[in-house]
Amino acid sequence: GAVVSQHPSWVICKSGTSVKIECRSLDFQATTMFWYRQFPKQSLMLMATSNEGSKATYEQGVEKDKFLINHASLTLSTLTVTSAHPEDSSFYICSALTGANEKLFFGSGTQLSVL
Amino acid sequence: GESVGLHLPTLSVQEGDNSIINCAYSNSASDYFIWYKQESGKGPQFIIDIRSNMDKRQGQRVTVLLNKTVKHLSLQIAATQPGDSAVYFCAEKGNAGNMLTFGGGTRLMVKP
Repeated sequence: GAVVSQHPSWVICKSGTSVKIECRSLDFQATTMFWYRQFPKQSLMLMATSNEGSKATYEQGVEKDKFLINHASLTLSTLTVTSAHPEDSSFYICSALTGANEKLFFGSGTQLSVL
Repeated sequence: GESVGLHLPTLSVQEGDNSIINCAYSNSASDYFIWYKQESGKGPQFIIDIRSNMDKRQGQRVTVLLNKTVKHLSLQIAATQPGDSAVYFCAEKGNAGNMLTFGGGTRLMVKP
């Protein structure tokens, strides 16, 4: 299957720090990428849809100024958690849609721990 | 502080037995369904998918069944192995847009 690389896999930071997470499609071009958030023992919650060359579409209740998304190329989308606070601690996962058959492949996730 | 969240239902099976994981979906307009496997600390891994014009699809050791009448999806794993231990999520996609909606997940535990 297609490979989606997510980096970093683990981040520990102080409150007030901004953290950037990268999501790359390694062997295909992805015009659409998705960002999810997952709390322990819960399912994935869609945060936003990232479209190459245009503004991201955020789900209801997700602060766009808090979670900045940039999809500047067909293989890279970034999520920046600005001024992170302990309540932002979570597992963040990206996914990318392959154009050929519309399958969705996921990155390995980023565990963010804000102290 | 302590976080309060949902506790995943757990299915415990003996190694070598067959496993059946169930999922109820809500949107009757959903036309594409996927099963994902997620191991601890990792992203979801695609297992098998099925479109709404089918009611059964088989992969290697896995079978997905779709019952549109009752909006029910199931994943059958044959000869379950310890490596199958994980959380399994079903996901549905409506016929408008590419957004996937995930079910709550089921934890599969395989006893040796």
